[in-house]
Amino acid sequence: QSVLTQPPSVSAAPGQKVTISCSGSNSNIGSNYVSWYQQLPGTAPRLLIYDNNKRPSGIPDRVSGSKSGTSATLGITGLQTGDEADYFCGTWDSSLGAGVFGGGTKLTVL
Amino acid sequence: QVQLQESGPGLVKPSETLSLTCTVSGGSFSTYYWSWVRQPPGKGLEWIGYIYYGGTTDYNSALKSRATISEDTSKNQFSLTLSAVTAADSAVYYCARGQYDFLGYFYYYYLDVWGKGTTVTVSS
Repeated sequence: QSVLTQPPSVSAAPGQKVTISCSGSNSNIGSNYVSWYQQLPGTAPRLLIYDNNKRPSGIPDRVSGSKSGTSATLGITGLQTGDEADYFCGTWDSSLGAGVFGGGTKLTVL
Repeated sequence: QVQLQESGPGLVKPSETLSLTCTVSGGSFSTYYWSWVRQPPGKGLEWIGYIYYGGTTDYNSALKSRATISEDTSKNQFSLTLSAVTAADSAVYYCARGQYDFLGYFYYYYLDVWGKGTTVTVSS
């Protein structure tokens, strides 16, 4: 059972927009910054978003992140088939004194 | 361009100790939180712990003190040992570079560079 809660799957058509939610508590998302990772099939995770809404170099601006209270959201616009992957949220949990992740959301581009 | 590479045995017997090493190349070894994360087959990511340059460590309490992370700064390497393994420890193990600090009112912790991962199977 993951500390952060994500929907198991989401889907959308090519060119459309999708959002993925990540729900936590005051000790994790409510107190700290959130990051998001993309894991393409058979590969290692890749950082997409850090500090709630910042993109590392090389991540396109059609990827965005936001946070409100104890929840965070990843948004991807202009969906492409290459976006099909598992997406994970992560943060630090101040009560646990540990890094924590969501269970992951599988994105299908129909 | 910093790169991380995991190495170690792919098969470990139950009750024995798993040992993995991560070699860091192309970048500085200092000022980062060198981390281990694992992913059981078909499941999500589980944070194992980190070591900060100089030896400060922190671990996932769920591993019940079985995990130890150490560093060899002369070789730009850090290592994970996990004792008394069971089948539940079978997973892909990733090493990663961590960023961790306090900014404004919040802590940030994220993993910005990952190794490709190594599969470890626990079986007799």
